[in-house]
Amino acid sequence: SAVISQKPSRDICQRGTSLTIQCQVDSQVTMMFWYRQQPGQSLTLIATANQGSEATYESGFVIDKFPISRPNLTFSTLTVSNMSPEDSSIYLCSVEPTIREQGLTQYFGPGTRLLVL
Amino acid sequence: AQSVTQLGSHVSVSEGALVLLRCNYSSSVPPYLFWYVQYPNQGLQLLLKYTSAATLVKGINGFEAEFKKSETSFHLTKPSAHMSDAAEYFCAVSDTDKLIFGTGTRLQVFP
Repeated sequence: SAVISQKPSRDICQRGTSLTIQCQVDSQVTMMFWYRQQPGQSLTLIATANQGSEATYESGFVIDKFPISRPNLTFSTLTVSNMSPEDSSIYLCSVEPTIREQGLTQYFGPGTRLLVL
Repeated sequence: AQSVTQLGSHVSVSEGALVLLRCNYSSSVPPYLFWYVQYPNQGLQLLLKYTSAATLVKGINGFEAEFKKSETSFHLTKPSAHMSDAAEYFCAVSDTDKLIFGTGTRLQVFP
């Protein structure tokens, strides 16, 4: 499995501002994913980020609100733009190992806890 | 489309009692199924996964799950609960390149 770190681990932000969350992996991976976990809820996939291509967004999520960068095989960022209190969530990145394990296994980072006031 | 349903948003057991967390899946093809655990203020940790090799899957921390095609179920069990098992548990199914998560079950363990 991969070791995944996220920065910041938590933040409190004012509405209307933007926050960029970083995800770092200790090995090269092809596929990285960004999820949102709203309070008391399950995980919802925001987008899939593959190196060298544009991120693929799920229904209900748009690039203007959640721009994603994937400059190399070990790093990705997710920006939450023009934040509102409804964006208060845990944001998690996950990776699928490049040597693909059977079952499309994903490994998760510790998450970034965001509170928007 | 694939989906999973977790029955019971909260489960409470006494320490030493059997843990049973329920998950039913809907899939048009043989599924890959997963159980993840989320401890307070942490990310998700993979407990175990089913990839069609064996119907009874053993995971970490004494957990296991059995794939039952006839019941479209993948319930998670542990013979004897420990206080440290208190957490949120998520069942998930893979759908092409994505994971689809259930709504989660919060496990409380009482002394």
